[in-house]
Parts: sequence; structure tokens; C-alpha cells
Amino acid sequence: QKEVEQNSGPLSVPEGAIASLNCTYSDRGSQSFFWYRQYSGKSPELIMFIYSNGDKEDGRFTAQLNKASQYVSLLIRDSQPSDSATYLCRTGGSQGNLIFGKGTKLSVKP
Amino acid sequence: NAGVTQTPKFRILKIGQSMTLQCTQDMNHNYMYWYRQDPGMGLKLIYYSVGAGITDKGEVPNGYNVSRSTTEDFPLRLELAAPSQTSVYFCASSSLAGAPEQFFGPGTRLTVL
Repeated sequence: QKEVEQNSGPLSVPEGAIASLNCTYSDRGSQSFFWYRQYSGKSPELIMFIYSNGDKEDGRFTAQLNKASQYVSLLIRDSQPSDSATYLCRTGGSQGNLIFGKGTKLSVKP
Repeated sequence: NAGVTQTPKFRILKIGQSMTLQCTQDMNHNYMYWYRQDPGMGLKLIYYSVGAGITDKGEVPNGYNVSRSTTEDFPLRLELAAPSQTSVYFCASSSLAGAPEQFFGPGTRLTVL
């Protein structure tokens, strides 16, 4: 059974701090990784994706991938209360193999 | 451009009833997906389609059926509803195989009593 594991949280950080969200996956064949943000009662929206080992930066967001350790993370710099949401990690691959983690709930306190 | 639309937004079913959740996209996407999300859980893939007339099972297909007669529409059928099917159902679409962005509909909240 291919799995994607995330700490369910809640992860609480003060406004302006760095939030670090982590995800591990079991399928060594996974080539691409995606981070979605989901506000309560809303549908998921894509915020970052990464294919290659290393870091990928987009504004306040940085995705980090380590395929040897089967580990992907999302850093949010200068966290804002509007970043409070659940963050879902998803692996790529064939269309029937799109596995989501359970998500980490982030709370940014003013 | 409405994106992905789903109807209904909410529905309460009695055990054993049937219903169809509707999903329509106006982006001419080939790929469409149905997910369910239980409270505090991630999304689980029920069925997906890579084009009109082509569907396949995902991780949790039991109790559901789909069809794809047009590019735009991908309805999900629940036969003999059970309390275990109480969930939020999301439809999504994407333009290319493995394309990063899946566009999600607003969801249908289904309760089976």
C-alpha cells in the first residue's frame, strides 16, 4: 500500500515566524510532489510542486525534496494569519496513483 | 469561465437510496477525477477518467459508478447509499497527464442517515 504521511498537527506558529511542514512517502517511484492548501470548508488549491531534489522557492514558500530519504517539506516564511489552513501533500505518478496525505493543520497566531 | 462546477452542494440521503453527483468543467480538460474526503483526512481517489468514454478505478471505488460520455461531464453515481459514504466529494480536472494543477470543484457534502 503506497502511503503519504504527514503530521496532522495542529502546528501553531506566531505571526512572522517560519512554518515547516513535512511529508514522507513510501513509493520510491514517485517523481513529482505537490503541496495544496485547503481552507476550512473549501476545496484544495495548488501552491507548489517540485520534481527535482533540492529547493524550489516561490515568494514566501519553499519546497524541499530529498528523494533518497523519501521526504518533502514546505517552508512558509513570514507566516501570516491568512496562511492558517490545512496543507496537503500529494505524490504524482500515473493517474490512478495520485496519493494525498491526511494534511497538516497550520495555525498562525497574530 | 466557471471552471469546475458540482451539484448539489449538500444532500442528505437515507440508507439504501441512490443519487448522482454532477460534475462539469468548461476548460476542455481531458482528465477528470472524483475524490472523497472524510473529516480530518486527506483526499482519496474514487474514480478517474482520461477522456470521454474512458474511466478507471482509483483507491476506493466500491459502492460507486461513473460514466464519461462527454469531455465536460463526469457524474458519480451512488447506488444503495450507506453511512460509510458520508463524506465531502470533490471533483477535479486537469489538462495534461501528470500536469501539476488539478482544478477542484467546490465539493458536495453528503450525509447518509
